[in-house]
Parts: sequence; C-alpha cells; structure tokens
Amino acid sequence: DTAVSQTPKYLVTQMGNDKSIKCEQNLGHDTMYWYKQDSKKFLKIMFSYNNKELIINETVPNRFSPKSPDKAHLNLHINSLELGDSAVYFCASSQTTVNTEAFFGQGTRLTVV
Amino acid sequence: QQQVKQSPQSLIVQKGGISIINCAYENTAFDYFPWYQQFPGKGPALLIAIRPDVSEKKEGRFTISFNKSAKQFSLHIMDSQPGDSATYFCAASNSGSRLTFGEGTQLTVNP
Repeated sequence: DTAVSQTPKYLVTQMGNDKSIKCEQNLGHDTMYWYKQDSKKFLKIMFSYNNKELIINETVPNRFSPKSPDKAHLNLHINSLELGDSAVYFCASSQTTVNTEAFFGQGTRLTVV
Repeated sequence: QQQVKQSPQSLIVQKGGISIINCAYENTAFDYFPWYQQFPGKGPALLIAIRPDVSEKKEGRFTISFNKSAKQFSLHIMDSQPGDSATYFCAASNSGSRLTFGEGTQLTVNP
C-alpha cells in the first residue's frame, strides 16, 4: 500500500504544452507539498497545502497552479511548459505543518523537449 | 538565500569505514533537524532527526551530532555498507515553516 503516490512517473512533452501531475496520500495527513528537484538534486519547496488551503507559495511562475480537491489529494498543473521546467517533481505529505516527518512520493520526472 | 549549507558534495568511503556529512545553518529559529536518504529513482525518506535540546541522537549505525552554539549538525554513518550508497540531505525547519534542505551529498561506499 503506497503511502504517497503520484502519477505519472515519467512525463515527456513538448514546449508550450500543458500537463498535470496527480498526487494522493492515504496516510490521513493534513499537509501536502510539492517539491522540485533539479538536475543537481537540489530540493526546493514550491507549494504547501494544509487541509486544502494554500499556506506556502514560493516564488514559482504562475504557470504552475496547484489544486487540492480534498486533503488527500494535491495536483499540480503546469501551463505553457518550458525547457527549464524539466526536473523531478515530488509530492510529499506530513501529519501537520509543525516539524513532523515528511513522506515523499516516488517523483515524476518531467522532460520538456 | 541558502539557509542550510551541506558538505561535502560527494563522498567515497570504503566498506566498514565511517561516513561523515556536515551541515551548517543560519536561522537560529530552526528547531528541527532531519536527515533524509534518497536512493536513485526514489523519493527522499526520513533517516533520523534531532531537536536542539539534545547534542546527539543515535539510531543503529546512524548518529546525528548537534552543536547549537556553532549552528552545525552532522550525520555519522558507522560501519558504512554498500547499501548505504545514496544521496543524503540535511534539512531544517521551525514550527510552522517549510523544510529547508541542504544541497545533498552523494555517498558511495565501495565494497
């Protein structure tokens, strides 16, 4: 039983396209996140939701739009994809926002060509 | 602004040796310091974490040493094994804030 699952695992698309990545957690956690891991493996938070409410919105182009239909799901939609968007995107969840373990999904490797 | 600096970027250790990875932070409000382990093709997973009220925490072969006055903490892996080969990330946060990750250390343990 996967705790944090995200789909698809791989995504190859052309510049200018719009794509979505889906994430679901079955841990009953209140907080979910999107992280971006670049080619140098640096992990940077993009968004955080707590009980479906956006609480962290880092400096991310507004082509990226998260959506949380319920507290178990956090999807990421990306418009007008650019070459620089190529990265691995990780969804994660934690019980609360306060200093607790974050559980990560397997990642979605996005390649923009 | 990079608030958590991690070194070295890569580390090669012989089987049975000790692996040491160091991190330094700037924000004195940080009060939670986890280490994450990431294998290729997988997401990071929590390895061990410490809070600043203790100077050391040990779990099996993994130990965190914490120096509050120096604003530094380190991960020691005793009796390193080839299966420990992975990327290790230190991180820090304070109540209600996001985790800030270090740059990562690629550890290779040679048999």
